[in-house]
Amino acid sequence: GAGVSQSPSNKVTEKGKDVELRCDPISGHTALYWYRQSLGQGLEFLIYFQGNSAPDKSGLPSDRFSAERTGGSVSTLTIQRTQQEDSAVYLCASSPGGAGSYEQYFGPGTRLTVT
Amino acid sequence: AQTVTQSQPEMSVQEAETVTLSCTYDTSENNYYLFWYKQPPSRQMILVIRQEAYKQQNATENRFSVNFQKAAKSFSLKISDSQLGDTAMYFCAWGSGGSNYKLTFGKGTLLTVNP
Repeated sequence: GAGVSQSPSNKVTEKGKDVELRCDPISGHTALYWYRQSLGQGLEFLIYFQGNSAPDKSGLPSDRFSAERTGGSVSTLTIQRTQQEDSAVYLCASSPGGAGSYEQYFGPGTRLTVT
Repeated sequence: AQTVTQSQPEMSVQEAETVTLSCTYDTSENNYYLFWYKQPPSRQMILVIRQEAYKQQNATENRFSVNFQKAAKSFSLKISDSQLGDTAMYFCAWGSGGSNYKLTFGKGTLLTVNP
C-alpha cells in the first residue's frame, strides 16, 4: 500500500513569511508524528497526534509553530513568521497506534529553506 | 530526560566486511523499545531493526543484528557482509513503552561502504 507522503518536497521561503507543510499518513494509522532534522543533527520531536486525543505539543520550539490534524488523517504543520533557524528537513511519521504498535513509518520529508 | 548517544559520527567499511555501530542511551524506565533506522541520501527513514527491552534475545534481521546490553544501556548494530546499498546515515532511537510513543534519536552515524 501507499506509504506516508509529504508535500511539498522542497520549500524555499523568505524570512518572515508563513509556510504550511502537509503530511498524508498511511491509511488506517491513528498515530501521527512530526519531527525536525537540522543539518548534522538527529531528529527532534515536535508534536504527536493519537486518534481524537489532545495532541502532545511538548516538542514545538516556539509559538510560531502549530499543527493540526483534520478528520484523523491529513496533518498540516504551520510555521509563522519563519526565521533562518527554521531551515531544516521536516519529517512526518505514522504508526498504527494502540498497544504494541511502536514502529513508526516515515515520509520522505520536506526540506525547508528560509532565506 | 532520555538521551541517545552515537559516538561515531562517521565510519567506513569495505564491501563484504562486517561493521558495528555503537549506541548508548540513558533512561530510568524499565519498559521501552530501541530501534535502528537507516536514512539514505533519498531522505527516506527506513526501519532496520527493533528490540524490545523486556526481551533478552538479541534481534536479528538478515544481515543486521544487535547487541543489546540492558544493564550497560548499550544497543549496537552489526552489519554483516556489507553492501554498497548500506551506505547511509544510521540513527539509533529510543521509545517509551508507555502511552506516548515519540522517539528520541541519536545524532546519527554516517556509514560509507567502499567497493
